Amino acid sequence: GAVVSQHPSWVICKSGTSVKIECRSLDFQATTMFWYRQFPKQSLMLMATSNEGSKATYEQGVEKDKFLINHASLTLSTLTVTSAHPEDSSFYICSASGGRARNEQFFGPGTRLTVL
Amino acid sequence: AQKVTQAQTEISVVEKEDVTLDCVYETRDTTYYLFWYKQPPSGELVFLIRRNSFDEQNEISGRYSWNFQKSTSSFNFTITASQVVDSAVYFCALRMDSNYQLIWGAGTKLIIKP
Repeated sequence: GAVVSQHPSWVICKSGTSVKIECRSLDFQATTMFWYRQFPKQSLMLMATSNEGSKATYEQGVEKDKFLINHASLTLSTLTVTSAHPEDSSFYICSASGGRARNEQFFGPGTRLTVL
Repeated sequence: AQKVTQAQTEISVVEKEDVTLDCVYETRDTTYYLFWYKQPPSGELVFLIRRNSFDEQNEISGRYSWNFQKSTSSFNFTITASQVVDSAVYFCALRMDSNYQLIWGAGTKLIIKP
């Protein structure tokens, strides 16, 4: 299968700081990337969909100024949580589709964000 | 509207028992895909199976088997002779042919006791 990496795997930060999470497709070109958020004991919630070179499409209720998504290349998308607060603490998962992996989403291992 | 329902929030069985996880979906599309994913405590999603709407053949992979029934809009997952390592949260998901977005069920937490 296709491989997607995420970095960092976990991060702890102080309230008010910004955190950037990277999502990379390692062996295929990801024309579309997705960002999910998962609270404890809950299902995945889609935050936004991004196509390479275009602005991300955010789901209803997700603040685009709070969660900045950049998909500047076919192998990299970034999610920046700006001015993070404790309520932003969550498990963030990215997935990617495209190229030889166009029929399904391949998931990264996730990033656990804790905001103190 | 599309929807995926996993009615079982949590299932607990003793090792070596068989267990079935239910998944019921709703869609008006004729072409769609169904998925099962495993999420162990580490959090990383593990892809288990994808089935398209035109393929109703049941699938068996080792101790895992899947029963796809379009007549009841169900795509159930059975683990035979369960093992402690099967303990995880299992998600069923639906995707339309028209886009890549996945519609997720709420997940079923499976606990296998030794």
